[in-house]
Formats: sequence, C-alpha cells, structure tokens
Amino acid sequence: GAVVSQHPSRVICKSGTSVKIECRSLDFQATTMFWYRQFPKQSLMLMATSNEGSKATYEQGVEKDKFLINHASLTLSTLTVTSAHPEDSSFYICSAPRGGDEQYFGPGTRLTVT
Amino acid sequence: QKEVEQDPGPLSVPEGAIVSLNCTYSNSAFQYFMWYRQYSRKGPELLMYTYSSGNKEDGRFTAQVDKSSKYISLFIRDSQPSDSATYLCAMRGSSASKIIFGSGTRLSIRP
Repeated sequence: GAVVSQHPSRVICKSGTSVKIECRSLDFQATTMFWYRQFPKQSLMLMATSNEGSKATYEQGVEKDKFLINHASLTLSTLTVTSAHPEDSSFYICSAPRGGDEQYFGPGTRLTVT
Repeated sequence: QKEVEQDPGPLSVPEGAIVSLNCTYSNSAFQYFMWYRQYSRKGPELLMYTYSSGNKEDGRFTAQVDKSSKYISLFIRDSQPSDSATYLCAMRGSSASKIIFGSGTRLSIRP
C-alpha cells in the first residue's frame, strides 16, 4: 500500500492566490522530505529538501519566497505556492526515505492556475 | 553532458517480449541505483533498488548495475500490457545526497 500520501490530488486556483499542498509519511517518520516538480513528458526536477525542525534547502533557481516549505512534524511537510501564476501549473510530487535509503513518492498533486 | 542519460523512447513491444531499459551515467560517485515506474498522472513507484554493482531479481524484473561501465539496466520478462508506463532510472552517491533522475523511457506493451 501507499507509504506517502499527498493532498489534494488536484487543485485549480485563480492567478494571484496561494495554494498549500500536504505531504504525509504513513506509518513512519521522516526527518527529511523532498519536493519535486514535473512538467508533461519530462522527468522529475528537485525543487527543495524539507527538513524537520530547520529551514528547507532550495535548489538553484527555485524561489524560496514563492515556494514556501514547512516541515511541521516528523510525518508532515507542506508546500505553499504563493501568488500562483499560470506558469506554476505543474505536477508536484513529494518523497520521503523510509527504513534504509529507499525513497518513496507520493501520488502527486496536479496544480492548474487559471 | 547530463549526469544521467536515458533514451526517452517511446518503446513499443508485443506482449510477452523481454524488455530492456538502460541508463548511462557520468558520476563515478553514484552508489545507489533505482528504477521507478510511473503511470500517467501518478507518482513514481519504486520497482528496484540496488547498491553498487551486481544483479537483483524481483519476480519478472531484473536490475543490473555495471559500475565499471557506468551502465545500468532493467529487464522485464513476460511483459504485460499493464507494464505500459514511463520507467525512470535514478541514482545517487551517499545516503544524504540528492537523487538524480534520468529523463524516463515511455514503454508500451502491445496486446
């Protein structure tokens, strides 16, 4: 069964509004979670590493003020897309390591900004 | 040059065929190698996870890693239409380093 969940699975919002996406590890704790973005027919691009109890680490070119990450607990990380624009429309996926080093991915959140 | 190269396909084979998917990489520090399967509009699903060189088998899937050639493969035996998906290779160095993904190969199994 699923080991990482995401909510919502799909969201449509108006340009200029903010959207929050939740990522939860199920039945295990994750001090680190990862957020990816995926455009159609392209691979996953790492956006940031979410760290429980400390600031997230952002990849080069990712605006930290636009993509706010909060690792609220050992099982929950949130990604907030602030002042969303149509170019932010994408598939957002989180992942978390469980047990050893294996990364498990959430089902993804499809964001459409109109 | 990308750190990880993967033929994007699409690759179309008849049901029952053996499928071979491959990736090459340039960073000799990579130690952990993964294969993920991703269905359309879904998150990637971990299929195989290997450390260093060697083979690993799980049901119809076999993963091979040749670190000397910087080449990894995924073989699917007795392919089924339900195997139709995009397959992503992925790899990283230490347990703390980020995962680098290939671009993914789109696979279609014809009934």
